[in-house]
Amino acid sequence: GAGVSQSPSNKVTEKGKDVELRCDPISGHTALYWYRQRLGQGLEFLIYFQGNSAPDKSGLPSDRFSAERTGESVSTLTIQRTQQEDSAVYLCASSLWAGYTFGSGTRLTVV
Amino acid sequence: AQSVTQLGSHVSVSEGALVLLRCNYSSSVPPYLFWYVQYPNQGLQLLLKYTSAATLVKGINGFEAEFKKSETSFHLTKPSAHMSDAAEYFCAVSGEGGSEKLVFGKGTKLTVNP
Repeated sequence: GAGVSQSPSNKVTEKGKDVELRCDPISGHTALYWYRQRLGQGLEFLIYFQGNSAPDKSGLPSDRFSAERTGESVSTLTIQRTQQEDSAVYLCASSLWAGYTFGSGTRLTVV
Repeated sequence: AQSVTQLGSHVSVSEGALVLLRCNYSSSVPPYLFWYVQYPNQGLQLLLKYTSAATLVKGINGFEAEFKKSETSFHLTKPSAHMSDAAEYFCAVSGEGGSEKLVFGKGTKLTVNP
């Protein structure tokens, strides 16, 4: 597609439930990133995929967070047993040679 | 590891005044540097980027930034602020170890007063 697509755009979930967030990167972009942006805060790096290399998971805040990417296509970010502090906008980006494109994000609200 | 420091979480200027948003980076290799803007309730938009070509980089909406290796800085400027420039601005760095991993600063919120 023309841009990075994220779904759903909004998600409200009950505390303790699991959620899956999806990111469709730009075709041909070898790198894919997930960031978290809490209300009024900056962008917090979560995880980075580069081609077939092992992902850089150094930003995942706890073992409740995980992400998968199949080849150079779709990625899913899974949050298990959601907590209220997980409420944030989750942004996905993809890149090729330092040309980054961000999706519009998924706004997650944990109630 | 690469990092970015944005000095001043809030900057306030009058309409028509100079805008100066500060960014200092830490990187062991020549970095790629970026400025992004985020308007209220909107996504990130790329303002400009430095990728080791000209040190003075011109971006959209009249913004520009100058890469100064000796000062490890990449400050964002605009000669004359407009009300529509009110937004959050993020500086970011990538490139260490050949990695494309993009690391952001904490952001600077720009307020423009009439």
